[in-house]
Amino acid sequence: ILNVEQSPQSLHVQEGDSTNFTCSFPSSNFYALHWYRWETAKSPEALFVMTLNGDEKKKGRISATLNTKEGYSYLYIKGSQPEDSATYLCAFRPGATNKLIFGTGTLLAVQP
Amino acid sequence: NAGVTQTPKFRILKIGQSMTLQCTQDMNHNYMYWYRQDPGMGLKLIYYSVGAGITDKGEVPNGYNVSRSTTEDFPLRLELAAPSQTSVYFCASSYGDRGPGYTFGSGTRLTVV
Repeated sequence: ILNVEQSPQSLHVQEGDSTNFTCSFPSSNFYALHWYRWETAKSPEALFVMTLNGDEKKKGRISATLNTKEGYSYLYIKGSQPEDSATYLCAFRPGATNKLIFGTGTLLAVQP
Repeated sequence: NAGVTQTPKFRILKIGQSMTLQCTQDMNHNYMYWYRQDPGMGLKLIYYSVGAGITDKGEVPNGYNVSRSTTEDFPLRLELAAPSQTSVYFCASSYGDRGPGYTFGSGTRLTVV
């Protein structure tokens, strides 16, 4: 069974704080790592798809890094805003499959 | 663009009833997926399709069936509904491979009583 683990489960920060979360995945048979942002009462939206060891992606104040050799990815949010409040999901795609394995997410709450 | 459209948004079924969850996408994506979301659990893959006429089982396929007769549509059929199928169901689509990620529908909340 392939496990994708995310930590922490939840995080409460103040507006303006910078924060980061971790996604751990199997280090063998890597194909891709996805990050999604999921707001309450909406559907998940893709943030990044990362495929190469050492990849760094950035979208506005959100960035992500990838280490496939040790099996982890970090998501960073700089200067958190209340509108960043959401669950952040990562998902691992093993090679030779068409299946994404999702973690249970990190719930971020940003207090104004 | 509508993206991925799921219907219905909510449904209550009695044990033993059947229903079809509809999913359609207008992005010409080859790949389509059905996931279920249970409290405290990650999204679990039920079935997926890599193109019209091709479907395959995911992690939790028991009690479900799918078909993919067109690129646009990927309905999920529940036969003989059971309380264990109470969940939120998401349909998604993608270009596949290493594209820009999945596009999800808005979900169907199903309760089986």
